[in-house]
Parts: sequence; structure tokens; C-alpha cells
Amino acid sequence: EAQVTQNPRYLITVTGKKLTVTCSQNMNHEYMSWYRQDPGLGLRQIYYSMNVEVTDKGDVPEGYKVSRKEKRNFPLILESPSPNQTSLYFCASSRVGTYGYTFGSGTRLTVV
Amino acid sequence: EDQVTQSPEALRLQEGESSSLNCSYTVSGLRGLFWYRQDPGKGPEFLFTLYSAGEEKEKERLKATLTKKESFLHITAPKPEDSATYLCAVLGDTDKLIFGTGTRLQVFP
Repeated sequence: EAQVTQNPRYLITVTGKKLTVTCSQNMNHEYMSWYRQDPGLGLRQIYYSMNVEVTDKGDVPEGYKVSRKEKRNFPLILESPSPNQTSLYFCASSRVGTYGYTFGSGTRLTVV
Repeated sequence: EDQVTQSPEALRLQEGESSSLNCSYTVSGLRGLFWYRQDPGKGPEFLFTLYSAGEEKEKERLKATLTKKESFLHITAPKPEDSATYLCAVLGDTDKLIFGTGTRLQVFP
């Protein structure tokens, strides 16, 4: 089944403790992206990648890092999480030039 | 600045009661308008892409239309399983997909 897999689904952590949210897709898509979804603000792009070793900032990149060492994986790294990063996070992928993204099921992160 | 506004924020319908969801947008150089469906606890699921004013797309009870300033998602004779949040997004010259905040639709039997 074609899908984007995120882990974990739920995560509660403390301020300052580094964490990684993994994202993997099995569709051989070049494009991958991370979004956060907050009430009243909609989906906002954090980082995106057009292909292996090519990443770029989205609209809200502060406090996040990403890497794209393999085509299928695009982890999101929070090196020193803060409470304002409490949110619902989605990974998405698509072929370059198409925008009918396939989204993962989401990771609900709470930073206390 | 590219912007997307969806209305209403929430909509309650009786099963079989047809209605429309609105997506108003301002964008520099529209390259596409996208509709997604999002169920609680899940990621958005792609529904349609519209590229130019006058274009229409249909899928089961859903029909999306596009004008130069807005898009409508028409729901004909909805069923409870159509209950979800519907998201609209636009792509313009910035090459970034800008999402609206969605319309939460509830269909009651």
C-alpha cells in the first residue's frame, strides 16, 4: 500500500530534550515536506525537500532541523523543544511538480 | 501576500441536505487550487485539483468549481460518512502551497 509513515503518533516530552520524528514514504516520491497544524492557523510548512540532500525552509522553520540522506526518509529534528512547538505535525510527499500530496497520519507532540 | 479564507468554519447538515463550502483566495499567478478532506486523527487526503476559472471536478457526491476569486465544494445529498474537515489550498508564483483553516462538516442521519 502506498503510504507515508510517521512515528511516533503521540509524544509527550520536556522542554529542551532533543527528539526526532521519523517520516518514510514508499512511493519513490522526490518531494517531501513537514507541516504543523494548529487551531485557527491551518497547515503551515516547516521544511521541504525536492530530492536527496536538497532541503529548504518553509514558513515556520525556527527551532526545527531536517535531513534527507535517503529518498524515502525525511526526519524532523527538534534539538531543544519548547512549549510553543506543541502541535500536530504532518509529513507529506509527492512527485515534483504535482501537489496532490500524500500525507502521513500525523504526530501529536506535547512539550511541557 | 497569498491568502486563503474558507467559510463557514463549521456546517451541520441533515443527511440528504445539499450545500456548498466556500474557499476565497488571493494569490499572485494562480497555478492550482486544491481540495483535501481530513478525518479526525488523520492526515489530509487529496480530493481535487482545479487549474483555471470555469473548471469543474466531480467525485461521488462532491463537485468542485473554480472562479477567478473563489472555489466552491458542492455536496449533493450528503451522507454521515461525508463528515470531515475540508481543506482548500492554493499554489501561486511563490511555488508554495497555502492552506486555509478548513470547514468542519457534520452530517446527521
